Amino acid sequence: GAGVSQSPRYKVAKRGQDVALRCDPISGHVSLFWYQQALGQGPEFLTYFQNEAQLDKSGLPSDRFFAERPEGSVSTLKIQRTQQEDSAVYLCASSPGTDTQYFGPGTRLTVL
Amino acid sequence: GDSVTQMEGPVTLSEEAFLTINCTYTATGYPSLFWYVQYPGEGLQLLLKATKADDKGSNKGFEATYRKETTSFHLEKGSVQVSDSAVYFCALSGRGGADGLTFGKGTHLIIQP
Repeated sequence: GAGVSQSPRYKVAKRGQDVALRCDPISGHVSLFWYQQALGQGPEFLTYFQNEAQLDKSGLPSDRFFAERPEGSVSTLKIQRTQQEDSAVYLCASSPGTDTQYFGPGTRLTVL
Repeated sequence: GDSVTQMEGPVTLSEEAFLTINCTYTATGYPSLFWYVQYPGEGLQLLLKATKADDKGSNKGFEATYRKETTSFHLEKGSVQVSDSAVYFCALSGRGGADGLTFGKGTHLIIQP
């Protein structure tokens, strides 16, 4: 079946612009996670949803970062007033509620 | 908080060599442990996992044993191939499906023919 998909795959933004990154999880997966992966580093947890409820947002680096999953399926990660330090690959993962997460290909964000 | 430490790369080996990538962790309770692999140009893929002490995860010739006494989950393979060249990430999950993964920084493995 289809895996986790993310769009766009690449995004270039000017400093100060707002961006929205989309994640389509595997159908039926109740859990959804966002991670940020800086160049040469491991992914770092941002936030977690169970269905439409955002149960953990402790990893969001600032109040410029906002995530939603209004119908418990597709999720959007929004970054307002982007800064150069926001440049990274943003990964989405979904899970059927077990400890195994399935990752999408990521969105590479470059802020100029 | 939880943390994962894995050996720095790049690790360069010849084909058919024995591979060990060290991973140690710090966590409260009894985490699940994972190895993920990222092939060039592709996303993260689960390679293997272990959910309790002394469990051995295995896949594609790779193995790792959950050692609670040494808080380790070292990845091993008896004979590597060029196609194993990738970045390998050790990770833990503290609360099963209700927890984000904590990753190590990754180890870049290069296998030369």
